[in-house]
Amino acid sequence: KAGVTQTPRYLIKTRGQQVTLSCSPISGHRSVSWYQQTPGQGLQFLFEYFSETQRNKGNFPGRFSGRQFSNSRSEMNVSTLELGDSALYLCASSRERQGSSMNTEAFFGQGTRLTVV
Amino acid sequence: EDQVTQSPEALRLQEGESSSLNCSYTVSGLRGLFWYRQDPGKGPEFLFTLYSAGEEKEKERLKATLTKKESFLHITAPKPEDSATYLCAVQGVNAGNNRKLIWGLGTSLAVNP
Repeated sequence: KAGVTQTPRYLIKTRGQQVTLSCSPISGHRSVSWYQQTPGQGLQFLFEYFSETQRNKGNFPGRFSGRQFSNSRSEMNVSTLELGDSALYLCASSRERQGSSMNTEAFFGQGTRLTVV
Repeated sequence: EDQVTQSPEALRLQEGESSSLNCSYTVSGLRGLFWYRQDPGKGPEFLFTLYSAGEEKEKERLKATLTKKESFLHITAPKPEDSATYLCAVQGVNAGNNRKLIWGLGTSLAVNP
């Protein structure tokens, strides 16, 4: 069974540019969550998508956005990049049920290491 | 405000030297506490979920326990392959239908042969 796949693995961008990251969840998983991980802040929740709808959102500025497609694949976009956006961006999928308020086991991808210069 | 604090930040053990990692949390009500392991260059890997005080779960050399204020991850006779960062996360009832997890910064464990 294939795991969660994130592309690209590494990315270097310049301040002011925008970037799109991609995540393919485990087959059958309809919930996809995105996280930003930095040494000082740890894992910070960005947003969660379920069946193409954003179900939850963290405390990040509007420059961070995402979407989910009908095949559950997800993308996140960061516009007008800042130096502070340099981080490891992780995607996680889980076998959540519609309307469930409980978290269950999440399967993470290897992440995309974004460096903003 | 929901908060998760993990200690120690880093721990170095000799192979076979048992120890415990701590995860202290502050939430108005706990829906679930999660332990993950993260190896360098990889995403976190799920270990355990605990839902109520007194609950315990075991997996190989790892045992997780939960009280009303903290959780411990006990590592018995660790091996070098147990070296990793161990992350703790909680979901509180304040979240309502929001399933957002609050994560600790992790404990970096190194086990020397």
